[in-house]
Amino acid sequence: AQSVTQLGSHVSVSEGALVLLRCNYSSSVPPYLFWYVQYPNQGLQLLLKYTSAATLVKGINGFEAEFKKSETSFHLTKPSAHMSDAAEYFCAVRDTDKLIFGTGTRLQVFP
Amino acid sequence: DSGVTQTPKHLITATGQRVTLRCSPRSGDLSVYWYQQSLDQGLQFLIQYYNGEERAKGNILERFSAQQFPDLHSELNLSSLELGDSALYFCASSVDIGGTAREAFFGQGTRLTVV
Repeated sequence: AQSVTQLGSHVSVSEGALVLLRCNYSSSVPPYLFWYVQYPNQGLQLLLKYTSAATLVKGINGFEAEFKKSETSFHLTKPSAHMSDAAEYFCAVRDTDKLIFGTGTRLQVFP
Repeated sequence: DSGVTQTPKHLITATGQRVTLRCSPRSGDLSVYWYQQSLDQGLQFLIQYYNGEERAKGNILERFSAQQFPDLHSELNLSSLELGDSALYFCASSVDIGGTAREAFFGQGTRLTVV
């Protein structure tokens, strides 16, 4: 079975600082990987996905993620945090017929 | 707006009761997934239907059941409810089944509170 591990349940950054949210995957086959964001009292929204077409994936709201096979990682980054980025972020992997999610990372952005 | 509609948004019920959560997938999506989100368990996959047939089962209790109807909407039935069933229940849909890079689109969720 495939799985993802998110390191750090909480990350705090200052507005304008770099955002780095970590995700490592475990997969015996080339994985399909996703990052979702959940704002308070809302559903999950897709930020970006890795489909093996390119290792650097750009998503919405200025986020991007780089697939590194050697490190089995798919970390999410944003060069400059904005207050509106405060939310919970989930890494996910396709496992046959379903998406398996990590435990999530709550991002706080301080002014 | 993801195009996935879940009703009701909130539900408060007593222990031992039975409730039905409803989900309408995005137009054209054949796959429907149900997830449970709780503080201690995170996002747990419950069950998946594809074009009316059950495709995959996750950590779904025997007290819970689901079905997908010919018009592709889905219902999740929760019975003999316990306090620990209080959670946010999400429905998601995608155009096809597994083995692809297709993402799933999530509804806003139904917040179930069992008192």
